[in-house]
Amino acid sequence: NAGVTQTPKFQVLKTGQSMTLQCAQDMNHNSMYWYRQDPGMGLRLIYYSASEGTTDKGEVPNGYNVSRLNKREFSLRLESAAPSQTSVYFCACKLGAFDSPLHFGNGTRLTVT
Amino acid sequence: TQLLEQSPQFLSIQEGENLTVYCNSSSVFSSLQWYRQEPGEGPVLLVTVVTGGEVKKLKRLTFQFGDARKDSSLHITAAQPGDTGLYLCAGPLMSGGYQKVTFGTGTKLQVIP
Repeated sequence: NAGVTQTPKFQVLKTGQSMTLQCAQDMNHNSMYWYRQDPGMGLRLIYYSASEGTTDKGEVPNGYNVSRLNKREFSLRLESAAPSQTSVYFCACKLGAFDSPLHFGNGTRLTVT
Repeated sequence: TQLLEQSPQFLSIQEGENLTVYCNSSSVFSSLQWYRQEPGEGPVLLVTVVTGGEVKKLKRLTFQFGDARKDSSLHITAAQPGDTGLYLCAGPLMSGGYQKVTFGTGTKLQVIP
């Protein structure tokens, strides 16, 4: 089935460790996004990629880096994890039309101890 | 600062009751979207409203876009336990020449059988 696949589903890190969250979409959408979701704060945009080869910062980019490897894949890297990065991370993709909806993966639940 | 404010934050009601969720902004949006999110999953689009004053119905759910395109509401008639979930409003923005989508903080609905 077409959609957005995120790996891993769960991850526990110690402070200072690094990891990469993977996201792949087979919907042939140009735009891809990384959000984090925290209780009471909704979904906040970390980074986005309007098309292959371009990335830009969202509302909360500090402590993260991204790579748009190709049209399908958009990864999020935590170089030195901190407890404040404990969250649920969602990847999404979107067609180019302004009012087109976001299509989300099922998220990665990350705990940093 | 949250561009889209949702109220109430939490709602617990009995099966069969009616409810309304509100999404307000001081900014004008070209369109607003409503998503529903169930535990362990990503948000899924319910509807997009694009014209000021527009009303859209999806079975027992009625969505309205304010005349000034600054607010929207979601009304559920005769709520069912299957309506339980997190309801999010979202709006597209242009920022730095790129499209972004900003989300409200969400309304967590629990429908008790």
